[in-house]
Amino acid sequence: KNEVEQSPQNLTAQEGEFITINCSYSVGISALHWLQQHPGGGIVSLFMLSSGKKKHGRLIATINIQEKHSSLHITASHPRDSAVYICAVRFLNSSGSARQLTFGSGTQLTVLP
Amino acid sequence: DGGITQSPKYLFRKEGQNVTLSCEQNLNHDAMYWYRQDPGQGLRLIYYSQIVNDFQKGDIAEGYSVSREKKESFPLTVTSAQKNPTAFYLCASSIHRADQPQHFGDGTRLSIL
Repeated sequence: KNEVEQSPQNLTAQEGEFITINCSYSVGISALHWLQQHPGGGIVSLFMLSSGKKKHGRLIATINIQEKHSSLHITASHPRDSAVYICAVRFLNSSGSARQLTFGSGTQLTVLP
Repeated sequence: DGGITQSPKYLFRKEGQNVTLSCEQNLNHDAMYWYRQDPGQGLRLIYYSQIVNDFQKGDIAEGYSVSREKKESFPLTVTSAQKNPTAFYLCASSIHRADQPQHFGDGTRLSIL
């Protein structure tokens, strides 16, 4: 069964702390996405990766294909980082050409000043 | 600026009434998607379209209908057959190539009166 699990569901941190959000998936994938959903509901794509590591500003995303696991790290966290972070994957065994994504349920991050 | 525009932001529906959610994009993307988001759950695919005048059912298409008469527009109609329509609806688009990120709109929150 194609599943995506994120942990933790909720995370509260103090400003400046190093944040890690985890994503595990059940079977092989062709790509993994990290998305950020703002309180108003809009979603922004942060990273798309299929191997290794990507970095953008204070955000770092890593993926371990063998362990079927990805992490999103935020360094020097700030209250404006407060949002829901969503992991989404395209499984290799997805049927059709929809490039369908399977989404995790999200991690609510709150960074306190 | 290019992007995806969803309207309205909030929508209220009476029992037995059909309502249509608008999604317009000026990114020149071929593929467009409609997702439903419920509290504590990952996004679920309702319908998708890869080219004009063609669309396919996603995982939860029952009670919904779509059209794709223009490349820029992919409206979603929530029909009276959808028994639990209260949710947050997100529209997305992507270039019609493998492993390209999806761009999301700001969403429409639908509630039943």
